[in-house]
Amino acid sequence: AQTVTQSQPEMSVQEAETVTLSCTYDTSESNYYLFWYKQPPSRQMILVIRQEAYKQQNATENRFSVNFQKAAKSFSLKISDSQLGDTAMYFCAFSQLYGGSQGNLIFGKGTKLSVKP
Amino acid sequence: EAGVAQSPRYKIIEKRQSVAFWCNPISGHATLYWYQQILGQGPKLLIQFQNNGVVDDSQLPKDRFSAERLKGVDSTLKIQPAKLEDSAVYLCASRPGGANYGYTFGSGTRLTVV
Repeated sequence: AQTVTQSQPEMSVQEAETVTLSCTYDTSESNYYLFWYKQPPSRQMILVIRQEAYKQQNATENRFSVNFQKAAKSFSLKISDSQLGDTAMYFCAFSQLYGGSQGNLIFGKGTKLSVKP
Repeated sequence: EAGVAQSPRYKIIEKRQSVAFWCNPISGHATLYWYQQILGQGPKLLIQFQNNGVVDDSQLPKDRFSAERLKGVDSTLKIQPAKLEDSAVYLCASRPGGANYGYTFGSGTRLTVV
């Protein structure tokens, strides 16, 4: 069974600085997707970034980038130039491509990020 | 495009009562999920539908939880009877049937059982 672990329950960063959130996962699959989701107080899960496991190049979306280390099963999120609006819960998630559970998201416990002015 | 609609937004009930949640996914999305998010944890899958058929309900407590998706569109999740440990946010999500990404989540229903 796949598992996702986020070892940082809470983090804080000063506005305009850079912060990195950690995520590790365990799977025997070779093809899968990894995601970072943001959950503000409104509760709606918002996709931040997605990485396909078969791609060696790390995904980037504006101020957000990942460091994907497939062999180490590590998937960290870097937020550059942090903004007050980045304050939220961040969840790392895994989805396998094949098999009965394909497409089902498996989430970590989350990291609460606070951006301070 | 309209998002995933869920109602009610909040619900407070006493233990042993019943409750139902409603979800209207994005038009054309074949796959629909219900997730349970207990405070301080990540969402956990309860059930997955493909059109109006159940694909995965292995983590659904079937003695008290039930779900249906009539005509492959709207879905309802019911709890009867509710327990204190059912207090959580219930999130609905949908995605196109052919992709393993492209999920859209609703804003959830926060259930408090007292």
